Amino acid sequence: GAGVSQTPSNKVTEKGKYVELRCDPISGHTALYWYRQSLGQGPEFLIYFQGTGAADDSGLPNDRFFAVRPEGSVSTLKIQRTERGDSAVYLCASSLLTSGRNEQFFGPGTRLTVL
Amino acid sequence: AQSVAQPEDQVNVAEGNPLTVKCTYSVSGNPYLFWYVQYPNRGLQFLLKYITGDNLVKGSYGFEAEFNKSQTSFHLKKPSALVSDSALYFCAVRANYGQNFVFGPGTRLSVLP
Repeated sequence: GAGVSQTPSNKVTEKGKYVELRCDPISGHTALYWYRQSLGQGPEFLIYFQGTGAADDSGLPNDRFFAVRPEGSVSTLKIQRTERGDSAVYLCASSLLTSGRNEQFFGPGTRLTVL
Repeated sequence: AQSVAQPEDQVNVAEGNPLTVKCTYSVSGNPYLFWYVQYPNRGLQFLLKYITGDNLVKGSYGFEAEFNKSQTSFHLKKPSALVSDSALYFCAVRANYGQNFVFGPGTRLSVLP
């Protein structure tokens, strides 16, 4: 497809488990962002990739969260030892260039529920 | 640090009337400003942006926004609201030297028939 895709659309897991969330950006987009959106709030920045490298990971809440983008395209957000407070919608976005002038294109999100 | 305020949680307007959704921001340096819309069960969609130049920017679906540097505002407007405009609207800011986008908390717009 032409847009940003995210899988799975929904993920239910138990406290303490490990989860992986996948993002497929628009082809050719060099910048990729991960956000977390809790109910009633705006997206909260987590991490930003420029190509394969994480240019800014200052939004990751703690060391249980990690993200990779090994080939500069698909990215995976990994959460270890999940906690109930991690429940949220995780959004991925990509943009054509990294100048900041370009708008981001968002995926539909992955709804994570930690029981 | 960057921040965005959307002072209204909810805006109600009658169909056909003009609408305004407010946004104020705080950023060091020159801002890049964006508006996004989120429909139920769908991802955020880009509406418009201000980077530089003319303070009045026009975007998708008849929306426009005015950048006001002295008031640090970037209010979203539309001359005539449609019921289909009902959605959640987010303002976002990025400093011209930085990498992070900061989003506001969102404003729910309800257009009543």
